[in-house]
Amino acid sequence: GNSVTQMEGPVTLSEEAFLTINCTYTATGYPSLFWYVQYPGEGLQLLLKATKADDKGSNKGFEATYRKETTSFHLEKGSVQVSDSAVYFCALNQGAQKLVFGQGTRLTINP
Amino acid sequence: DAGVIQSPRHEVTEMGQEVTLRCKPISGHDYLFWYRQTMMRGLELLIYFNNNVPIDDSGMPEDRFSAKMPNASFSTLKIQPSEPRDSAVYFCASRLSGGKTDTQYFGPGTRLTVL
Repeated sequence: GNSVTQMEGPVTLSEEAFLTINCTYTATGYPSLFWYVQYPGEGLQLLLKATKADDKGSNKGFEATYRKETTSFHLEKGSVQVSDSAVYFCALNQGAQKLVFGQGTRLTINP
Repeated sequence: DAGVIQSPRHEVTEMGQEVTLRCKPISGHDYLFWYRQTMMRGLELLIYFNNNVPIDDSGMPEDRFSAKMPNASFSTLKIQPSEPRDSAVYFCASRLSGGKTDTQYFGPGTRLTVL
């Protein structure tokens, strides 16, 4: 079945560092790919998405490109801030409605 | 827009008790999802509804779990009897079909602790 694998955390960086969180997927067909973010004590929020190969999703300085050849959707940000500390989830849609999530990567940014 | 509303935010109960979690989706959304989040298993889809009708409940762990959606603005997830292994954060999400987006909007979650 479909699955998502994220790099294991936790990840700790200093403010203004470059961020990469790896995400690879296994899927039949051509799913849409998502990054969700969960701030402490809150629900998940959509960060960005891409619906087809070579699409780039972007939001709040974060970017991810849908790479069909490597089945990847890595999340990047050029300069992280303390406020980016959260748990990040990579996901794909399975069929019309189901979202399949990765395990999540906890990111901590130190000032 | 108030977003997805869940209640209670925290629930502590004793093993064997009945627990009811509540969700109000975003007005006008026709899909509603219930998820469970644990450290061991991550985020799991339990069940989802379309136009108040359960479509897929294959993620419901066992008969102790049941979910209903009596109308477009309210859903419940019930556990009876509850067990310590049910301790988790339960999220409700909703989305609107059609259009260019397939984005699900999540509520803040209910943290359940079963002693």
